Amino acid sequence: RKEVEQDPGPFNVPEGATVAFNCTYSNSASQSFFWYRQDCRKEPKLLMSVYSSGNEDGRFTAQLNRASQYISLLIRDSKLSDSATYLCVVVMNTGFQKLVFGTGTRLLVSP
Amino acid sequence: GAVVSQHPSRVICKSGTSVKIECRSLDFQATTMFWYRQFPKQSLMLMATSNEGSKATYEQGVEKDKFLINHASLTLSTLTVTSAHPEDSSFYICSARMPGRGQTYGYTFGSGTRLTVV
Repeated sequence: RKEVEQDPGPFNVPEGATVAFNCTYSNSASQSFFWYRQDCRKEPKLLMSVYSSGNEDGRFTAQLNRASQYISLLIRDSKLSDSATYLCVVVMNTGFQKLVFGTGTRLLVSP
Repeated sequence: GAVVSQHPSRVICKSGTSVKIECRSLDFQATTMFWYRQFPKQSLMLMATSNEGSKATYEQGVEKDKFLINHASLTLSTLTVTSAHPEDSSFYICSARMPGRGQTYGYTFGSGTRLTVV
């Protein structure tokens, strides 16, 4: 079983749609969680951290369910510029706080 | 703030040669830097963790004699791919933890190096 699993997609949605991505992780000792965005052939960029209480940043909402080892990302009012691959990232509770990446979920927003 | 500069962005080399990739933290000190490799349509895979002033920690299956890591200062880590072969062609990317506190920290990435071995 992969340490971090995501549906690779692609998710094809029209502008203005709401779309949700899910991610599961296998190591219950994981301590921190993030969503990153990666554009084609570029480096990942931090989108937001994910907290148990849930957090929102504009059109983006992230949720963490530690009991189910499940993370979600909701994007409201999708824009064309949201087209990218969204990476679920889990920080393992090791000495160097190792990041483990999911394979990413690809989002395509069309006009 | 918290920028990591990675060079070169793209390199093409002949099989059997060595390639050095540099990552510099421009406005903060990075005691630990991570090196990843990403093959097409795959996730980033951690290769090694680089620590300033000590030996790097390699992930299982990564040859430490082939991928030489040096972290000589708090702002510079290098990855040298020795005796490169076509199967080493990949996107190599470094990362450092951004200075912060509480749960708001994250990790900043270099812009990546696309290596093609011919």
